[in-house]
Amino acid sequence: EIVLTQSPATLSLSPGERATLSCRASQSLSTYLAWYQQKPGQAPRLLIYDASNRAPGVPARFSGSGSGTDFTLTISSLEPDDFAVYYCQKRSDWPPAWTFGQGTKVEIK
Amino acid sequence: QVQLVESGGGVVQPGGSLRLSCAASGFDFSNADMHWVRQAPGKGLEWLAYIRFDGSDKSYEKSVKGRFTISRDNSQNTLYLEMNSLRAEDTALFYCAKGRRPNYFDNWGQGTLVTVSS
Repeated sequence: EIVLTQSPATLSLSPGERATLSCRASQSLSTYLAWYQQKPGQAPRLLIYDASNRAPGVPARFSGSGSGTDFTLTISSLEPDDFAVYYCQKRSDWPPAWTFGQGTKVEIK
Repeated sequence: QVQLVESGGGVVQPGGSLRLSCAASGFDFSNADMHWVRQAPGKGLEWLAYIRFDGSDKSYEKSVKGRFTISRDNSQNTLYLEMNSLRAEDTALFYCAKGRRPNYFDNWGQGTLVTVSS
């Protein structure tokens, strides 16, 4: 069973700063990893899929990178709307199962 | 646009049962893989169950396998989650999510709250 470990648990930054979030897998995932954003009281929203592809409507300040076991979500310049919890996610082939990391909260410093 | 609306949540006693529904619109439901995902209060996301677009394949997270059953009615554009033998630790907000085949979730409902308590 592949485990996803996100770090840090909480990131305290100011608007305009760069945010770098990490997701590490216990086994290689190739590039089959996604990132989601969840704001308080809202459902999650797909941001990045296949490690580096932005979902429709996602601003260019969000970018994803990585392959194998180490993945990164970068927010180039934080907007007030970006303070939220971010989850990484992957799918296991057999048995079919979908797993989330424990989340990184990006909070206003 | 894609809309997913969950219903059926509520308060149920431990050991009880509940059936959740998810009404889908704005996309070709009969060609979409679907999932249920839950989130316990103040906790992270936990995938629960998957059903293939035609209902021919299903998969469950280990802690709910044998207790929860996912199903769908493509003629009614509705996804279901039948939950039996509910436990306190099943208390959560339950989301239905549209699969972005084969690996991800590209649309989510707003969730329905299930509380298991005596």
